Amino acid sequence: DAGITQSPRYKITETGRQVTLMCHQTWSHSYMFWYRQDLGHGLRLIYYSAAADITDKGEVPDGYVVSRSKTENFPLTLESATRSQTSVYFCASNRGTGTTGELFFGEGSRLTVL
Amino acid sequence: GQQVMQIPQYQHVQEGEDFTTYCNSSTTLSNIQWYKQRPGGHPVFLIQLVKSGEVKKQKRLTFQFGEAKKNSSLHITATQPTDGGTYFCAGNSGGSNYKLTFGKGTLLTVNP
Repeated sequence: DAGITQSPRYKITETGRQVTLMCHQTWSHSYMFWYRQDLGHGLRLIYYSAAADITDKGEVPDGYVVSRSKTENFPLTLESATRSQTSVYFCASNRGTGTTGELFFGEGSRLTVL
Repeated sequence: GQQVMQIPQYQHVQEGEDFTTYCNSSTTLSNIQWYKQRPGGHPVFLIQLVKSGEVKKQKRLTFQFGEAKKNSSLHITATQPTDGGTYFCAGNSGGSNYKLTFGKGTLLTVNP
């Protein structure tokens, strides 16, 4: 059971470059989320998706783009990376049935923007 | 928007001491969840509380949800080094979007 996987795990890029972080889940969970984690800020929601082709902004969406053409994939794109986007990015999924239920997190993608 | 505040930010304890972290929401929550994250790892779900005044236990961990459903606590009895990590609370204010707002977490260090 592969669960939820993120790639790449580590990425170094330069300011202004486009970067895409991939997220894939094998459970067919309806909901998927992207969080960023920074010291002093905890986990902040960037974007989320309730189903394929349905996405919505979270708390800190500026500078990010998401898509969800298939239920199992939820890529996050930084169209023009900035140093302030250096962070650890976590993808998560949720069954989306009944009460909220638990979030299942991926291992994280550590992004450094030089 | 909804804010979830968590205190303390850091806590150092000696093995065997008790530990408590507190979580307060600016709005009434439909439910609250707790997660643990080890250094370098990802958050792992511990528990979800739904009912007003609910208390749940997992071995040495006790979770409470306030009567007004705006606060919660996690208490660990007789800490062990393996309890070390960051504990996050995460609240959901209702609706069908399953969005959680996370507190900033409490980093617990347990000295052997």
